[in-house]
Amino acid sequence: AQSVAQPEDQVNVAEGNPLTVKCTYSVSGNPYLFWYVQYPNRGLQFLLKYITGDNLVKGSYGFEAEFNKSQTSFHLKKPSALVSDSALYFCVERGSYIPTFGRGTSLIVHP
Amino acid sequence: GAGVSQSPSNKVTEKGKDVELRCDPISGHTALYWYRQRLGQGLEFLIYFQGNSAPDKSGLPSDRFSAERTGESVSTLTIQRTQQEDSAVYLCASSKVETSGTSDEQFFGPGTRLTVL
Repeated sequence: AQSVAQPEDQVNVAEGNPLTVKCTYSVSGNPYLFWYVQYPNRGLQFLLKYITGDNLVKGSYGFEAEFNKSQTSFHLKKPSALVSDSALYFCVERGSYIPTFGRGTSLIVHP
Repeated sequence: GAGVSQSPSNKVTEKGKDVELRCDPISGHTALYWYRQRLGQGLEFLIYFQGNSAPDKSGLPSDRFSAERTGESVSTLTIQRTQQEDSAVYLCASSKVETSGTSDEQFFGPGTRLTVL
């Protein structure tokens, strides 16, 4: 069975510092991995995806993620956090027509 | 272009009443999903449509929940005899043609916040 784990309920980082939001997956076959962001009282917005090819994927708003097959991870990163990045982040696996969502990580960027 | 829209944005109802939630997907998107998000929690899959048919209804919590889709466009999620535990945000998403192992991203609507008193 497919599963996605986001081990941290909350990540705190100071503005200007690099941020990492962790995600690990467990799927049979090749994973299709996505990151979505949810701002308060809003729907989810697509950030980036890994399907195949280069392990470093660049996405919206300066975010990037690195696919690591040996560690079965797909961590979301940004070199310099902004207060406006504060939101709920979801890692998603799309190996079948029913996506598997992680439980979400709340990112809080302090001024 | 227009994104996914949902209506109403907020719905307050009394326990035992029926409610109907509407989703307008992006034009041309044949796949449509409904999710439920309880306060402070992740997304709970409810139902998936491919065109007008629903090959997977396994996420519907009870027989009080039903959904339909017509014209490969608008979908409605109906909750009968609402209970307080139905209070949540109901999110709709659409994507392009689905195939097993699809790589297409989903586009989400803003959600309907349902409060059952």
